[in-house]
Parts: sequence; structure tokens; C-alpha cells
Amino acid sequence: AQTVTQSQPEMSVQEAETVTLSCTYDTSESDYYLFWYKQPPSRQMILVIRQEAYKQQNATENRFSVNFQKAAKSFSLKISDSQLGDAAMYFCAYRSARAGGTSYGKLTFGQGTILTVHP
Amino acid sequence: EPEVTQTPSHQVTQMGQEVILRCVPISNHLYFYWYRQILGQKVEFLVSFYNNEISEKSEIFDDQFSVERPDGSNFTLKIRSTKLEDSAMYFCASTGTGDNEQFFGPGTRLTVL
Repeated sequence: AQTVTQSQPEMSVQEAETVTLSCTYDTSESDYYLFWYKQPPSRQMILVIRQEAYKQQNATENRFSVNFQKAAKSFSLKISDSQLGDAAMYFCAYRSARAGGTSYGKLTFGQGTILTVHP
Repeated sequence: EPEVTQTPSHQVTQMGQEVILRCVPISNHLYFYWYRQILGQKVEFLVSFYNNEISEKSEIFDDQFSVERPDGSNFTLKIRSTKLEDSAMYFCASTGTGDNEQFFGPGTRLTVL
């Protein structure tokens, strides 16, 4: 079974600074997807960024980028120019790319990291 | 923009009562999911549903839980006899064919007294 670990329960950053959230995962599969979700106080789950394991290039979405290290099974999220609206719980998630079988489709989440942004 | 909707936003029930949580997935999606998040904890997979049957379920999804797609639009999660530990946020999600993103609804907060 796949597992996802976020070792930082809480992180803080000054507005306009950069912060990196860590995530490691364990899998025996070679093809999969990785995601970062943001959960603000409203508790809505919002997709921030995704990475396909077969792509070597790190995904980027505006101020959000990832550092995907497949061999190390590491998937960190970097938030540049942090804004007050970035304050939220962030979850790393894994999904198998294998069609069919018993694990197709479900997301496996890490424990989450609470990000605080200081003005 | 299409979105997943869930009703009610908050459900309060007495222990032992049955509850039905409702979801309307995005209309052309084929894969449906329920997740649970106990307050302050991580989001946990409950069940996935495709082609009118369960494709996978977790250990949490025991005989007290059931899912149904009663018509072409709704996707429901039923808890037959609620326990205190069922108090959580329940999220519905859906995805389309070939799409690797799951779209989440806003969640239903279930409180069992």
C-alpha cells in the first residue's frame, strides 16, 4: 500500500517570502500522480498543483512550484512571494496511474501541514 | 464552471440514527468517491464507485456504510446507525475518463451527538 508522509505539522512564513513544504511517499509503482491540495478554514479542498511521475520537468503554477525527486520519493511544494491568502492546511496526495485493479483512482493523503503567513 | 455540490452543509444527528449525505458530481464524470476527514486529521478514502458498483473501499467502509447512485445525477452515502466516531467532514469527489484530477465538493459536516 502507498503511504504519504508530511513531516512538518506547522510552518510559518513572512508575507512576500518563500516557503517550502515537504512531502515524501512510498510506493512500488513506477507510474503515478502527485498532488498538492490547499484546505482553507472553509475546509474546501482546492487543487494547487499536480505532477505526473513520468514527467521529469517539475510542475509550476504561477507562484507555486514543486521539486519532484522520483528516486528519493520526494515531492516538495515551494510557495514564492507568499500572500496572506496562502494561509491554509496543505495536503500532499498520491494517486496510482494504473487503470483497473484495486487501487485505481483513490487519493492517499498525507497528514497535512498548517501554513501561517505573517504580515 | 461545473462543480461538485453536496447537501446538507451540516447535519446533526443522534447516535444510532441513519443519515444520508447527498452529492451531485460533475455531469459528465464517471468516477465517484467519498472521503472522510475527522477534525484536525488527514483526509481518508472511504469508497470509489464506477459503473454503478463499488470499485474499491477502505477498512473504514464497513457494513454500516453504503453508497448509491439512485438516478443520473445524485450520488449518496448512507450511514445506517451512526456512532460518535462518525463525526467528521465528508467529501464527495468526481473525475472524468482520462482525467487525473478529482474535483471535490465543499463537504458535509456530520455531527453525531
